[in-house]
Amino acid sequence: GESVGLHLPTLSVQEGDNSIINCAYSNSASDYFIWYKQESGKGPQFIIDIRSNMDKRQGQRVTVLLNKTVKHLSLQIAATQPGDSAVYFCAETRGRGGGADGLTFGKGTHLIIQP
Amino acid sequence: SQTIHQWPATLVQPVGSPLSLECTVEGTSNPNLYWYRQAAGRGLQLLFYSVGIGQISSEVPQNLSASRPQDRQFILSSKKLLLSDSGFYLCAWSGLGSLNEKLFFGSGTQLSVL
Repeated sequence: GESVGLHLPTLSVQEGDNSIINCAYSNSASDYFIWYKQESGKGPQFIIDIRSNMDKRQGQRVTVLLNKTVKHLSLQIAATQPGDSAVYFCAETRGRGGGADGLTFGKGTHLIIQP
Repeated sequence: SQTIHQWPATLVQPVGSPLSLECTVEGTSNPNLYWYRQAAGRGLQLLFYSVGIGQISSEVPQNLSASRPQDRQFILSSKKLLLSDSGFYLCAWSGLGSLNEKLFFGSGTQLSVL
């Protein structure tokens, strides 16, 4: 079936380095993608989103890149800080239109920031 | 501003006991409401969503049910819990319309069925 998945379950980076978290999706009908950050025991927090008519969007220290040709989504975090340690999920619209039926989530990547 | 409240934060229940988790949203009207479940170290699985009072869509056959008695209230229930119902339950809301797919999540309920 259609799904959203991640290439790596765990990513360890040095504090101050840049992080790149990747995500592959298979639903070619998806037109909206989101990255969430989830700290242990908490609900996911919105980080950044992007629509399929864009290939790049920047936020504060974060950038999302969308490559529709290969159905690939990535989240870049600049100058990682200890507070960036969390599990990061990509999500896509479920493709039924209207947006009311929620998002499909990938399994998540655990980002570990080394001091 | 909009806020979402979910309680309790943790819950330990014996097998066969009933369940009621409550979620309320403030600061918005007629939100889309969602219940997701997250197994340990896993992604989020959509259980139910609702686009209005009394309107519930179920995504996964199971012994859970959901109800929306008021516009901004969403309840997850079970008559008899199973061990497999253990997990982290998340309520979420989104705005109306196709350009409002972004979900905002509550703080979650960690349910342990023993």
